Amino acid sequence: DAGVTQSPTHLIKTRGQQVTLRCSPKSGHDTVSWYQQALGQGPQFIFQYYEEEERQRGNFPDRFSGHQFPNYSSELNVNALLLGDSALYLCASSPDRVETQYFGPGTRLLVL
Amino acid sequence: QKEVEQDPGPLSVPEGAIVSLNCTYSNSAFQYFMWYRQYSRKGPELLMYTYSSGNKEDGRFTAQVDKSSKYISLFIRDSQPSDSATYLCAMDVTGTASKLTFGTGTRLQVTL
Repeated sequence: DAGVTQSPTHLIKTRGQQVTLRCSPKSGHDTVSWYQQALGQGPQFIFQYYEEEERQRGNFPDRFSGHQFPNYSSELNVNALLLGDSALYLCASSPDRVETQYFGPGTRLLVL
Repeated sequence: QKEVEQDPGPLSVPEGAIVSLNCTYSNSAFQYFMWYRQYSRKGPELLMYTYSSGNKEDGRFTAQVDKSSKYISLFIRDSQPSDSATYLCAMDVTGTASKLTFGTGTRLQVTL
């Protein structure tokens, strides 16, 4: 059983560009959450998707948006990239309303 | 003040030692408490999950929650070099796989 998968593994962008990150949840999981982890910090919650709708959102600007597809996979889009957006972006999945979240390996984004 | 405080370490111990990792928090609404282990350049892996106050044991790992003091701990017995990683505490209010609030993580090094 494949766990949570994310693509790409690494990405380099320049300021002002846009980026799309992808996540496939663990089999049987329909809820996907995205987190940003800056170097030396704990993950920060960006938002959560369930039934193709954003269910909850953390303190991130509108430049961060997402989407969930009917097969439960998800995308994270970041527009107008800033240097401070450089981080590890983690996707986590779980069955609906079940506490335990399983994380993918992350996408490491570097903004130059 | 951060909602969850965690000593970043690094913490270095000899193989076989008992390790104590701790977090304090300020939000009394937190009811669900988790410990994740994160190896370098990997996503967090769920180790322990507890609800409300009390102890939970799983093999060499014991999680303790003291809600009256807003303090949680993870004990690792007979520590092994393979335990070398960053340990993140995480907390949630609702227990329904919603937003997790993480500590900054404690880096642990177990030496031979």
